[in-house]
Amino acid sequence: DVKVTQSSRYLVKRTGEKVFLECVQDMDHENMFWYRQDPGLGLRLIYFSYDVKMKEKGDIPEGYSVSREKKERFSLILESASTNQTSMYLCASSLGVTGLDEQFFGPGTRLTVL
Amino acid sequence: SQKIEQNSEALNIQEGKTATLTCNYTNYSPAYLQWYRQDPGRGPVFLLLIRENEKEKRKERLKVTFDTTLKQSLFHITASQPADSATYLCALDLRRGGYNKLIFGAGTRLAVHP
Repeated sequence: DVKVTQSSRYLVKRTGEKVFLECVQDMDHENMFWYRQDPGLGLRLIYFSYDVKMKEKGDIPEGYSVSREKKERFSLILESASTNQTSMYLCASSLGVTGLDEQFFGPGTRLTVL
Repeated sequence: SQKIEQNSEALNIQEGKTATLTCNYTNYSPAYLQWYRQDPGRGPVFLLLIRENEKEKRKERLKVTFDTTLKQSLFHITASQPADSATYLCALDLRRGGYNKLIFGAGTRLAVHP
C-alpha cells in the first residue's frame, strides 16, 4: 500500500515564524502536491512537483515555497507565518503514469498560527 | 468564471436507500473526473475515476456518471450503510502531460442513519 506521511498532525506557531511541513511517500511516485483545506473552500493547490528539484506553482502559492531534494520527500515552507495561513495542510502523491493518476493523501497537518 | 459546485448542505438518508451526490462545473474541460471520500481528521481517499468518453462507471455499490454536455457528474451509493457516512469530494482532472492537476469541490457531507 502507498503510504504518505506528514511530519506533524498538529502544529502551533507564532506570527512571523518560519514553518516547515514535511511529507514523505514510500512508493516511488513522480508527482507530489501540497494543498490547504478550509471549510467551504475545498482543497486548494499550493504547489506541486513532477520531478526532483522541479516545482510548479498551484492556485495559491503566495506566502509559501517548496523544496524537493529527493524523490520521496516534498517540503512546504511558510517563510513568515501569518494568521491567515491557519489551515489544514494536505500532502499527496501520484504515480505520474496516465490512467493511474489517483492521488494518495497523507493524514494532514492542522496548523494554527497565533 | 471557473467553478466547481457540490451540494453544500449535508445529505441525510436512511440506511438501505440510494444516496445521490451532485457535482456541477462551469468553464472547465476536464479530461477525467475523480471522486474521493474524506473522513473527519483524515486525508481524502480515492474512490473512482471516470473519463470524458465514459458515461458511467461502477465499483461495487458505487456508480458514477459523467455528462460533459451538462457539465455534471452524479455519484450514487446504493444500499447505503452508516459506515458510508463521510464527506465526498469530486475533483476535475485537468490532465497536463505527465501530471494531473486536480480542482476539488468543497465536498458534500453524507449522513446515513440506521
